[in-house]
Amino acid sequence: DTEVTQTPKHLVMGMTNKKSLKCEQHMGHRAMYWYKQKAKKPPELMFVYSYEKLSINESVPSRFSPECPNSSLLNLHLHALQPEDSALYLCASSLLAGVAYNEQFFGPGTRLTVL
Amino acid sequence: SQQGEEDPQALSIQEGENATMNCSYKTSINNLQWYRQNSGRGLVHLILIRSNEREKHSGRLRVTLDTSKKSSSLLITASRAADTASYFCATDGYQAGTALIFGKGTTLSVSS
Repeated sequence: DTEVTQTPKHLVMGMTNKKSLKCEQHMGHRAMYWYKQKAKKPPELMFVYSYEKLSINESVPSRFSPECPNSSLLNLHLHALQPEDSALYLCASSLLAGVAYNEQFFGPGTRLTVL
Repeated sequence: SQQGEEDPQALSIQEGENATMNCSYKTSINNLQWYRQNSGRGLVHLILIRSNEREKHSGRLRVTLDTSKKSSSLLITASRAADTASYFCATDGYQAGTALIFGKGTTLSVSS
């Protein structure tokens, strides 16, 4: 299985809602990532987990809360988002973090719209 | 933060033609990678070239790397309509290779 899955594919939420994005991989990768991508822009790194521990937080607002319950699963909890948070949220994984020769495998993304 | 800058930003060609995209970056790297993204979808890894390599091939793809100029190019030969996508270069210059930094991307349109 060489696939990263993300659910849901689309999510519409109000600014007072709480929702979660889910990402799963079964490739035995020990590094997992969340990226945010606005239209016609490159992906921007949000968080990196290495061996289920948060290793990088790119100064992301606290309304985004990541969680890595186990080595295969990565969640992104959303609370009190703003309309400008509407974007494509991409999850990725790689064999290891902090290694020079490291391709990343991306999921299809969750298209988030905040009303 | 962004590391790579692709050139051109947009490229339109006919099927069968070759497409060349360039990427420049700022800091030293261990490797440079190219990814493809179809509209609104996830990214697909195309090829990785290490800093001690100058050229690499994979099918219809040819990547070059010039570390002295801090630049790379991606050549797609005999383009097909299915190659229509955005192409991003990405470097591992972030925190000793912990994560990738993506360039702004080139949008390629191949018409039949």
